[in-house]
Amino acid sequence: DIVMTQTPLSLSVTPGQPASISCKSSQSLLHGDGKNYLFWYLQRPGQSPQLLIYEVSNRFSGVPDRFSGSGSGTDFTLRISRVEAEDVGVYYCMQSIQLRTFGQGTKVEIK
Amino acid sequence: QVQLQESGPGLVEPSETLSLTCIVSGGTISGYYWSWIRQPPGRGLEHIGYIYYTGITNYNPSLKSRVTISVDTSRNQFSLNLRSVTAADTAVYYCARDRRGDVLSGNSIFDYWGQGRLVTVSS
Repeated sequence: DIVMTQTPLSLSVTPGQPASISCKSSQSLLHGDGKNYLFWYLQRPGQSPQLLIYEVSNRFSGVPDRFSGSGSGTDFTLRISRVEAEDVGVYYCMQSIQLRTFGQGTKVEIK
Repeated sequence: QVQLQESGPGLVEPSETLSLTCIVSGGTISGYYWSWIRQPPGRGLEHIGYIYYTGITNYNPSLKSRVTISVDTSRNQFSLNLRSVTAADTAVYYCARDRRGDVLSGNSIFDYWGQGRLVTVSS
């Protein structure tokens, strides 16, 4: 089984400041087709999760460009260039190269 | 706009079977994989398994012995059965659209989710 480990588990950010979340996988997510199968989701309080980023760095439809993703192999990062109040919630990374496994989640709050 | 709606009992007795259905509207179930995901209260997300519209399934190894996911393309819906439940199975259960079946890459996996169904296991 592939284990996904996120750090930090919580983050308090001043509005307008950047934020970064790390996600490490226990096995490489690099497929033979050259793609890394790593996704990011945001679960706002009381809501279902929503897709932010697919295949490491592709923003899903409607996702603001302040969100960006990077990485390859086993190390990945989600960055928010300027945090806004609506970005509060829990962020999850997920791998899909072998079934699907989520990270533990990173709770982002506003200072 | 694709919409998913979970339905089923909100309370299940220990040792019984948890059964939920996800109705897909605004799009066809054909051509895609479809997943069940759960979230215990105050905790993170756990993938239960997925099904292709043809009936091919793949399950989380930790739940495989107790899980069956089935699909009914005529009703545009898929279902989850989880047997021999305990209090540890209490969770919000989500259904979500997984990936397209014709290509591996370029998929926005879990782009559509249901609103979730809280299922409590208790006598």
